[in-house]
Amino acid sequence: EVQLVESGGGLVKSGGSLRLSCAVSGFTLSSHSMSWVRQAPGKGLEWVSFISTSSSYIHYEDSVKGRFTISRDNARKSVFLQMNTLRAEDTAVYYCARHMSLPTQLESAPFDYWGQGLLVTVSS
Amino acid sequence: SYVLTQPPSMSVAPGQTARIDCGGNDIGTKSVHWYQQKPGQAPVLVVYDHSDRPSGISERFSGSNFGNMATLTISRVEAGDEAGYYCQVWDTRSDRVVFGGGTKLTVL
Repeated sequence: EVQLVESGGGLVKSGGSLRLSCAVSGFTLSSHSMSWVRQAPGKGLEWVSFISTSSSYIHYEDSVKGRFTISRDNARKSVFLQMNTLRAEDTAVYYCARHMSLPTQLESAPFDYWGQGLLVTVSS
Repeated sequence: SYVLTQPPSMSVAPGQTARIDCGGNDIGTKSVHWYQQKPGQAPVLVVYDHSDRPSGISERFSGSNFGNMATLTISRVEAGDEAGYYCQVWDTRSDRVVFGGGTKLTVL
């Protein structure tokens, strides 16, 4: 069974840092690109960051560039999101999501599995 | 930046057909994916690459994509289909994933 389990969320003050982790099981992490997606309370989905299978390709949403860093450790079956200089507008549920492994698609592949979500609250 | 536009809400009676639009410039040239999200739950992929369905998704869910509009069609709507629905693409110009604003579907 495919599982993605996020951890590391919580309450932090504006300007602070958090490191989110996504532990995966039930599939070979090195075969899939991964992303982080967030959802502010009562709002829609917002993509945050993408990382390819071997970390060769990394992309960020403009609002987090320079503040957030995505990484992965395929041997440890984990994906990470280091979040620095946090702002109130970063308050959201953060999801770790797996990109479907498709032969002709990389970043454009859909998210076929999601974690349960992790609340990050930034207090001003 | 690339923008996907969805109606914020729509309602449909049980047994009828729901069509949820997702507008974007030349979206017909992109791979469009659709997600269903119920309150308090993670999103679930229901249609990908315009019209393919993941295993386990009902054949009542289908999609189309042409020109400047992609559409998710839900046939024979059931009470359990009440949820938020999001379209999504990858924008090659800006190297980012783009989600539509979401459509809340109410089953009357």
